[in-house]
Amino acid sequence: SQQGEEDPQALSIQEGENATMNCSYKTSINNLQWYRQNSGRGLVHLILIRSNEREKHSGRLRVTLDTSKKSSSLLITASRAADTASYFCATALANAGGTSYGKLTFGQGTILTVHP
Amino acid sequence: GAGVSQSPRYKVAKRGQDVALRCDPISGHVSLFWYQQALGQGPEFLTYFQNEAQLDKSGLPSDRFFAERPEGSVSTLKIQRTQQEDSAVYLCASSFRAGQETQYFGPGTRLLVL
Repeated sequence: SQQGEEDPQALSIQEGENATMNCSYKTSINNLQWYRQNSGRGLVHLILIRSNEREKHSGRLRVTLDTSKKSSSLLITASRAADTASYFCATALANAGGTSYGKLTFGQGTILTVHP
Repeated sequence: GAGVSQSPRYKVAKRGQDVALRCDPISGHVSLFWYQQALGQGPEFLTYFQNEAQLDKSGLPSDRFFAERPEGSVSTLKIQRTQQEDSAVYLCASSFRAGQETQYFGPGTRLLVL
């Protein structure tokens, strides 16, 4: 079963515009990760944000995490045609007093299309 | 090889046939995960290994699915008596330590059961 829900399911923008994708989840987490998947390929890790962090940047990527609302957003600035892909958020659940090995629960993804 | 590799990349099987999917994790990575990704969906967890120990197999859909990692490196996911609903991409991921770490994914094996 999927913990996360992503919004929107599909996003179409022009090159140079910003793209924002949102992710909501249901249970307490240790961290949240964003991945990109090009058609027919494996997942590429983009960024990891821990539950005690609120914002992280990596190049043109900005991720926010609001644990009170159980939500996260991924912002891609100055988008390029090469950013066209599916984007997934994935959560690693918080420890329940024992060892948590980091099993990921994925959302259904947002399909981003960037037009040249 | 710097990344996770999987073989074969594509597999077509007749219903009822057994298949074996291989994963070579990044050298030295303790944790290894298998996920199943249906068309248009996000990946779903199947099973987890810490070195050679299979610590969680709660995501395996039936007893036709079996995974092993006998020497704590290469892993094989075996599906017996394949069914059409087994058609999916099978992804392998590894991480350096046990715990809350970034996972590095292989390219996946696309399985089509006819």
